[in-house]
Amino acid sequence: QKEVEQDPGPLSVPEGAIVSLNCTYSNSAFQYFMWYRQYSRKGPELLMYTYSSGNKEDGRFTAQVDKSSKYISLFIRDSQPSDSATYLCAMSPKGGGSTLGRLYFGRGTQLTVWP
Amino acid sequence: GAVVSQHPSRVICKSGTSVKIECRSLDFQATTMFWYRQFPKQSLMLMATSNEGSKATYEQGVEKDKFLINHASLTLSTLTVTSAHPEDSSFYICSASRPPYEQYFGPGTRLTVT
Repeated sequence: QKEVEQDPGPLSVPEGAIVSLNCTYSNSAFQYFMWYRQYSRKGPELLMYTYSSGNKEDGRFTAQVDKSSKYISLFIRDSQPSDSATYLCAMSPKGGGSTLGRLYFGRGTQLTVWP
Repeated sequence: GAVVSQHPSRVICKSGTSVKIECRSLDFQATTMFWYRQFPKQSLMLMATSNEGSKATYEQGVEKDKFLINHASLTLSTLTVTSAHPEDSSFYICSASRPPYEQYFGPGTRLTVT
């Protein structure tokens, strides 16, 4: 079993829809949770960053973390064609030393928002 | 967000030659940088963790003599692919860690070995 599971999709929705992206994980040591957006042939772009459980909102994006269920979500409201990309969840354990900042990634979900 | 640059963005080289890829954090100091490899429609595969002033830590299965990493300053890390072969063709991405745990990625370098 991989440490981070993410449905690769593809997911196709009409413009204006609410998109829900999810990841599950098995390592209870993960404390920091991130969502990245990656356009084709580009590096990942940090979208949201949360620590421990709870919600965080930034514009049309909301990130949720439920540590008791080992489940994280990213919601995109009023989705736009420009949101079409691959969304990667990533997480990091609380720790230090040479592994500081090491991220564990999901496979990524490919999202298409059609006009 | 923070800015990380990579150079070159694309490189084509002949089999047997070496290629150097630079990764720079432009607006913050990065004690730790990471090098990833990504195949089409796949997630990122961590190759190595690079700490400024010390030897890189390589992931299992990554040849340290083939993928030389140098992190000489708090803003620069380099990856040198030595004696490149066609199977080394891939998308290489670096990232820089900004405390406490944010990580910012470069735009990637597409390497093609002919």
